[in-house]
Amino acid sequence: SQQGEEDPQALSIQEGENATMNCSYKTSINNLQWYRQNSGRGLVHLILIRSNEREKHSGRLRVTLDTSKKSSSLLITASRAADTASYFCATPPGGTSYGKLTFGQGTILTVHP
Amino acid sequence: GAVVSQHPSRVICKSGTSVKIECRSLDFQATTMFWYRQFPKQSLMLMATSNEGSKATYEQGVEKDKFLINHASLTLSTLTVTSAHPEDSSFYICSASPRFREETQYFGPGTRLLVL
Repeated sequence: SQQGEEDPQALSIQEGENATMNCSYKTSINNLQWYRQNSGRGLVHLILIRSNEREKHSGRLRVTLDTSKKSSSLLITASRAADTASYFCATPPGGTSYGKLTFGQGTILTVHP
Repeated sequence: GAVVSQHPSRVICKSGTSVKIECRSLDFQATTMFWYRQFPKQSLMLMATSNEGSKATYEQGVEKDKFLINHASLTLSTLTVTSAHPEDSSFYICSASPRFREETQYFGPGTRLLVL
């Protein structure tokens, strides 16, 4: 298995519902980042959570990090059709705070109007 | 916010030709740029790390003679796919880390390469 595996692979919900995506990783990390990718586009940085943080908020986004379980979750509340995209978690090399990122397989989120 | 551009956004070429993709950081200096490759419905796979003024570091399994990377300035890195073949068709994305704020990576919009 590779660093940053996510589930579910695909998630389909109705507008207004919450969407939760999970990410697991194997090695120790300094931080974990979440990105969004609209179809055929580049990635947009959503949020970075450091290893000494347990929860972080940004607008309708809530990220949690459990270093004992080596997992993170991304919650999008009150989802909108515009949230339809692929979401990836990513981590820099173990023990470092920056550098090449290893991406998870991603979750494809579809929000139906 | 920091902006990274890529050019071209889409390219179609014949098998055997070479294709150059540019990655520019528009409003910041980037000591390091990264090149990723993404197949349909898959995640991003790092190809190489490009450092200004030095040779790129390639990931295992990536042919450095096929994917030539040049990072001539703090705002420009280029990826040249030499003698492209249909299996090189993919979505190529670059990212750049601002100098002194390397924790954050800003991604370009990607380049769709189709080799016929």
